[in-house]
Amino acid sequence: NAGVTQTPKFQVLKTGQSMTLQCAQDMNHEYMSWYRQDPGMGLRLIHYSVGAGITDQGEVPNGYNVSRSTTEDFPLRLLSAAPSQTSVYFCASTLAGSTDTQYFGPGTRLTVL
Amino acid sequence: AQSVTQPDIHITVSEGASLELRCNYSYGATPYLFWYVQSPGQGLQLLLKYFSGDTLVQGIKGFEAEFKRSQSSFNLRKPSVHWSDAAEYFCGLSNFGNEKLTFGTGTRLTIIP
Repeated sequence: NAGVTQTPKFQVLKTGQSMTLQCAQDMNHEYMSWYRQDPGMGLRLIHYSVGAGITDQGEVPNGYNVSRSTTEDFPLRLLSAAPSQTSVYFCASTLAGSTDTQYFGPGTRLTVL
Repeated sequence: AQSVTQPDIHITVSEGASLELRCNYSYGATPYLFWYVQSPGQGLQLLLKYFSGDTLVQGIKGFEAEFKRSQSSFNLRKPSVHWSDAAEYFCGLSNFGNEKLTFGTGTRLTIIP
């Protein structure tokens, strides 16, 4: 199993550009989520999904879109990047409603100029 | 609203010394509690979790944590640290099993020889 994979590892954008951060898992997990990590603020939940076709907002959803067309993939889209979105982004997955751990991907470091 | 507080931003301990990282939470009921570790440039790895039952929880790498309801705390301990324990440690809670985690701001651990 590859676990949770994220691409790209690093990305630099200009203000106003759009991009998609990719996340995939091969563990057949229903629950997937996106977090952003900022210095001194820990990790904050952006969006999450409990299964294909179902998504919901977390603590800091503004400026981000998600969709879940398959169990395996949960992309995060920035439609118009802003410097405030400079952060490290982590995708995580787990079996919904279980006591299993959340498995985190290696992260994507995004810089918006 | 639920919240997690890690009062120590940075802790330095000598190799071989004991360690205690503090975590306090605010939540109306009994939460599900977690400790994660993040090595530099890596994703998060679960150290241990508390869902119910015995309030002293054993985790990986020789770590343990104790849930104290009266103090709203879930402190992480290790009797003797190793240089490889240098990392950032995050306490987290969830009100729904292993989903929608709320994290503290993290404690960075430095080990000196």
